Amino acid sequence: DIQMTQSPASLSASLGETVTIECLASEDIYSNLAWYQQKPGKSPQLLIYYANSLNDGVPSRFSGSGSGTQYSLKINSLQSEDVSIYFCQQNYDSPPYTFGAGTKLELK
Amino acid sequence: EVKLQQSGDELVRPGASVKMSCKASGYTFTDYAMHWVKQSPGQGLEWIGTIIPLIDTTSYNQKFKGKATLTADKSSNTAYMELSRLTSEDSAVYYCARSSFTIAAISGVMDAWGQGASVTVSS
Repeated sequence: DIQMTQSPASLSASLGETVTIECLASEDIYSNLAWYQQKPGKSPQLLIYYANSLNDGVPSRFSGSGSGTQYSLKINSLQSEDVSIYFCQQNYDSPPYTFGAGTKLELK
Repeated sequence: EVKLQQSGDELVRPGASVKMSCKASGYTFTDYAMHWVKQSPGQGLEWIGTIIPLIDTTSYNQKFKGKATLTADKSSNTAYMELSRLTSEDSAVYYCARSSFTIAAISGVMDAWGQGASVTVSS
């Protein structure tokens, strides 16, 4: 199984800041990487797929990049509504699809 | 509007089984695969398995083989997951989520999720 390692596990940032979350795959996943946002008490929602494609309706302050085994999610100009847990997921090798452990983003 | 409406929260005894549902609306049910995902308290996400209703094909995470059984009813646009021989380790929130299965780059990318169903295993 492909292992997904996310960092950091938690992150505290101020409004307006830019934050970056990293995801490392245990082998090449050829950009088959998605990012999800889970707000408190809600179900996960798709933000980005195929490493850098923004899902419909997702604000442009979110962006994804990376290739091979290393990927990142960047949030520009942090807003209060961005307080969430963020998960990466590989959809290259299945079964099983695997997720990172999550990054909890809080406001400073 | 795409909607996945899951059945309610369950409190079940150890050793029992539970069957939950996920009713799809707002899209053609057979055009997509349906996944099930487990989220244990304060934990991350685990993919349980997938069913492709069009061809009634399933695939499972090895960890959940024998634990989860996925089915789908095309006549009612509803997917089901049954969990058997429940233990405290099965206490979690379970989500259904859909994805494409025909386009490789987005196969397994879950673009719509149900609201989740909590299962509590307790005597």
